[in-house]
Amino acid sequence: AQSVTQLDSQVPVFEEAPVELRCNYSSSVSVYLFWYVQYPNQGLQLLLKYLSGSTLVESINGFEAEFNKSQTSFHLRKPSVHISDTAEYFCAVSVPMNYGGSQGNLIFGKGTKLSVKP
Amino acid sequence: DSGVTQTPKHLITATGQRVTLRCSPRSGDLSVYWYQQSLDQGLQFLIQYYNGEERAKGNILERFSAQQFPDLHSELNLSSLELGDSALYFCASSVSGGASYNEQFFGPGTRLTVL
Repeated sequence: AQSVTQLDSQVPVFEEAPVELRCNYSSSVSVYLFWYVQYPNQGLQLLLKYLSGSTLVESINGFEAEFNKSQTSFHLRKPSVHISDTAEYFCAVSVPMNYGGSQGNLIFGKGTKLSVKP
Repeated sequence: DSGVTQTPKHLITATGQRVTLRCSPRSGDLSVYWYQQSLDQGLQFLIQYYNGEERAKGNILERFSAQQFPDLHSELNLSSLELGDSALYFCASSVSGGASYNEQFFGPGTRLTVL
């Protein structure tokens, strides 16, 4: 079975500071990796995903995540955060069909609340 | 706006009751997923439907059931409600049901409070 661990439940940071949100996963097979963001009182939105190829993936709003297979990690980073980045961030995995995955269902971590202060 | 709609937005009911949550997927999406978000369990996958057929089951209780109709909207039925069923219930949709890399688009959720 797969599991996802987000090591920090809350991360406070000042505006324009760098931030790293940590995510580790456990799986005996290859997985797809995702970061979703949930702004207050909204549903989840896909931020970025790793399927294959380059281990560094980027989002349109300046976030990036690096897949590290040896450390089974997929940490999310941003070099300079804005107040508008305040949200809860969820790391998730899904198992490809050819590894016995069940149709793409996402297994989520418990989330990290990022709070950006002025 | 993800294009996924959920009704109602809030639902308050009593223990032992039954409720129905409704979800309309994005236009063109054939797959619907239901998730439960609670403080203690986090976000958990409940069930998936693809083009009217059940495709996968997660941590869904026997008191819960779902279906997807010919117009592709889906309903999640929760019965014999308990206090612990209080949670945010999300619906998500994706284009297909056969590829685990397809992006899932989430609705705004239904907040269920069981008193």
